[in-house]
Amino acid sequence: GIQVEQSPPDLILQEGANSTLRCNFSDSVNNLQWFHQNPWGQLINLFYIPSGTKQNGRLSATTVATERYSLLYISSSQTTDSGVYFCAVEGSGGSYIPTFGRGTSLIVHP
Amino acid sequence: GAGVSQSPSNKVTEKGKDVELRCDPISGHTALYWYRQSLGQGLEFLIYFQGNSAPDKSGLPSDRFSAERTGGSVSTLTIQRTQQEDSAVYLCASTSVIRTGLFSTEAFFGQGTRLTVV
Repeated sequence: GIQVEQSPPDLILQEGANSTLRCNFSDSVNNLQWFHQNPWGQLINLFYIPSGTKQNGRLSATTVATERYSLLYISSSQTTDSGVYFCAVEGSGGSYIPTFGRGTSLIVHP
Repeated sequence: GAGVSQSPSNKVTEKGKDVELRCDPISGHTALYWYRQSLGQGLEFLIYFQGNSAPDKSGLPSDRFSAERTGGSVSTLTIQRTQQEDSAVYLCASTSVIRTGLFSTEAFFGQGTRLTVV
């Protein structure tokens, strides 16, 4: 099946810093989503972005499907951004099952 | 409903007992997924339901695990003879459209059920 790799695995930032999280995938995809799992375990949808660029406030994401990667940008980070960021992809081979990366654990210090 | 709802939020059970976990998807969503997340780990796919099609059970770790979806809506995940390694958060997700080939949609997750087997 499709492989999903996220980097870095861990990230520690000072409040106000910017960061870039990366998601590489091994095959062509129909669907790619970024999620934020908050400290209470809830998975929050950030972006549904199989291709192109989207922005939502301090967050933006870009997926370059032809090169099999996606980037999540966090600008002016806040302590509430702490948590784990997951990338999930649905391969175009017809499985219809999102495959998750292992996540990037982000800690933002005040 | 407004979102995917799972119950119970927390479940503590003794080793060897059976447990049932419930997922109520977003109204009208035809696809439903169960995932498992062990402490500090990513999400492991368990089972996928799509409309009236036979479920994809390829992720179920053993025959102690089973799931059903009644009337195309509510789903129940059952774990028989629970073991300590079954302790995890069990997450349910749903998506909105019938799959017609290439078109896919956004998945929404419930808050999960934290299962602890003692």
